[in-house]
Amino acid sequence: GAVVSQHPSRVICKSGTSVKIECRSLDFQATTMFWYRQFPKQSLMLMATSNEGSKATYEQGVEKDKFLINHASLTLSTLTVTSAHPEDSSFYICSANRDRGSANYGYTFGSGTRLTVV
Amino acid sequence: DAKTTQPPSMDCAEGRAANLPCNHSTISGNEYVYWYRQIHSQGPQYIIHGLKNNETNEMASLIITEDRKSSTLILPHATLRDTAVYYCIVRAYNAGKSTFGDGTTLTVKP
Repeated sequence: GAVVSQHPSRVICKSGTSVKIECRSLDFQATTMFWYRQFPKQSLMLMATSNEGSKATYEQGVEKDKFLINHASLTLSTLTVTSAHPEDSSFYICSANRDRGSANYGYTFGSGTRLTVV
Repeated sequence: DAKTTQPPSMDCAEGRAANLPCNHSTISGNEYVYWYRQIHSQGPQYIIHGLKNNETNEMASLIITEDRKSSTLILPHATLRDTAVYYCIVRAYNAGKSTFGDGTTLTVKP
């Protein structure tokens, strides 16, 4: 149980276009999901917290108008990279709360999306 | 979240135990220790977590010192597929986001 599916796994887009990444919790409901970005040979950096039915909370330095987050249901959050540029090329990873309130509380991560902007 | 310190890299022989240390000297009383690993180009995978007692599951064992200022993740019989970056995170039980440090790159060698 507690599977998070992320799609697509890889995407190549042209500079100036927008790309949407989906994060789904397959067997549990997630009121909160998190979006991370990871550059080569670096650790994961939290970009934003996605809240179901409300606005996302962005970390300092992350442009909310560039990285649009929508969390319209308890099982789906999307991250749209708008007007992508080569410097946005990175590995994007989502995660979701699992079994909130249970003894086995942890976070499940998606498999990541490799975005390459050319 | 409390800051954690891990060695940047470690090697381990295949079949031997891998012991990965983590220092978290500023951990608060309500913070748990979580371990994740990330195999190249994949999302992090949950391994184990604990509060103050030692824990064991099918993947690993977690040893937390009595003062809770450090912990050790033990992979009892490392295989080549255990080569990954291992992250130690401390976080309150009902906390939101996780803060990832630089982790330890474990290389299991034949």
